[in-house]
Amino acid sequence: DGGITQSPKYLFRKEGQNVTLSCEQNLNHDAMYWYRQDPGQGLRLIYYSQIVNDFQKGDIAEGYSVSREKKESFPLTVTSAQKNPTAFYLCASNILGRPTWPQHFGDGTRLSIL
Amino acid sequence: AQTVTQSQPEMSVQEAETVTLSCTYDTSESDYYLFWYKQPPSRQMILVIRQEAYKQQNATENRFSVNFQKAAKSFSLKISDSQLGDAAMYFCAYRTRDDKIIFGKGTRLHILP
Repeated sequence: DGGITQSPKYLFRKEGQNVTLSCEQNLNHDAMYWYRQDPGQGLRLIYYSQIVNDFQKGDIAEGYSVSREKKESFPLTVTSAQKNPTAFYLCASNILGRPTWPQHFGDGTRLSIL
Repeated sequence: AQTVTQSQPEMSVQEAETVTLSCTYDTSESDYYLFWYKQPPSRQMILVIRQEAYKQQNATENRFSVNFQKAAKSFSLKISDSQLGDAAMYFCAYRTRDDKIIFGKGTRLHILP
């Protein structure tokens, strides 16, 4: 079955450490997205990419970086510059040009500070 | 910029009763798309219902229906015959022309047995 795979499910970060969250999709979707979810805040967009080797900042990109070297992969790095990284991170994807089609989501990664 | 507002952080409803979740949005676009997503305790995001702004008819999916008032920029979700499995966080979402989705802050729905 097609879908989005996020790994790991749980991740712990030490002070000063960069960590990378994986997101892979086999849906042949053009666009991929990273969201951060905090209690009472809904989903906030970190970065998105609509084509390989191109990506745009979302509303809360500071302290994060991404790459899109392959259509199916969109890893998110949480850098040491992100001072409050504890949150639930969701990856999503969708086809471009089909606005009624919903985004598909992965199962998420919970990141905590050690 | 577009915004989505859900004014009810939490709601409760008796099992088998009907409940309505509110959502308002702000946009200058004339054509857009609206969604309701459900996030149960498993944290999975599940599409509940979608509405195209150019369609006047309100969308319906089984026990779920919307009341779409374009002039008022309102997009409420009605759940009929509430079931225990409906307990979840519900997010209203707006899809922009450049394929970004803007989410409201969510409404946590409790179902009382």
